[in-house]
Amino acid sequence: AQRVTQPEKLLSVFKGAPVELKCNYSYSGSPELFWYVQYSRQRLQLLLRHISRESIKGFTADLNKGETSFHLKKPFAQEEDSAMYYCALSGGSNYKLTFGKGTLLTVNP
Amino acid sequence: NAGVTQTPKFQVLKTGQSMTLQCAQDMNHEYMSWYRQDPGMGLRLIHYSVGAGITDQGEVPNGYNVSRSTTEDFPLRLLSAAPSQTSVYFCASSYSGDTYGYTFGSGTRLTVV
Repeated sequence: AQRVTQPEKLLSVFKGAPVELKCNYSYSGSPELFWYVQYSRQRLQLLLRHISRESIKGFTADLNKGETSFHLKKPFAQEEDSAMYYCALSGGSNYKLTFGKGTLLTVNP
Repeated sequence: NAGVTQTPKFQVLKTGQSMTLQCAQDMNHEYMSWYRQDPGMGLRLIHYSVGAGITDQGEVPNGYNVSRSTTEDFPLRLLSAAPSQTSVYFCASSYSGDTYGYTFGSGTRLTVV
């Protein structure tokens, strides 16, 4: 079974502060991990894929297989980063995507 | 490209009514899925399909039915609506879910009274 845990439902930081959204996963095989972002009442958008090791909108995420984590980080938060963030895992031949429960990030001015 | 298109955007149903939520994609994606989004629960997989003619159940399939007769369309049917099915429903598609991730539709906000 595959499971994704996002321990923080809410995270509030001030503009310019560093931000880290935590994600831990459970999967017996080799997972593919993603971060999705949902701005207020909009559709989910793919933010990052671990396989591409890219930085989008200043966010990065590193897969740590030893700690089974895929935390999302940004050194200097901006107000426009305020959104719901979902960590997701895909694994196996059926390509099902399993989501965590999400973390609502609020960046205060 | 329109991407993933969901209709309707909003719907109110009475308990016991049936309806179909439409989902269409024009990207020739093999994989399509339906999720429901509820506060504090994240997104939960209802049904998914790995190609035309092939569907399977997700985490919360009860009360829902799907079929995939074409690559483009993946409708979700509510057989007899219940208040517990009040939710926001998202359809998603992917060329290869493992590597490229899924593209999501804009959602259908369903209220069952």
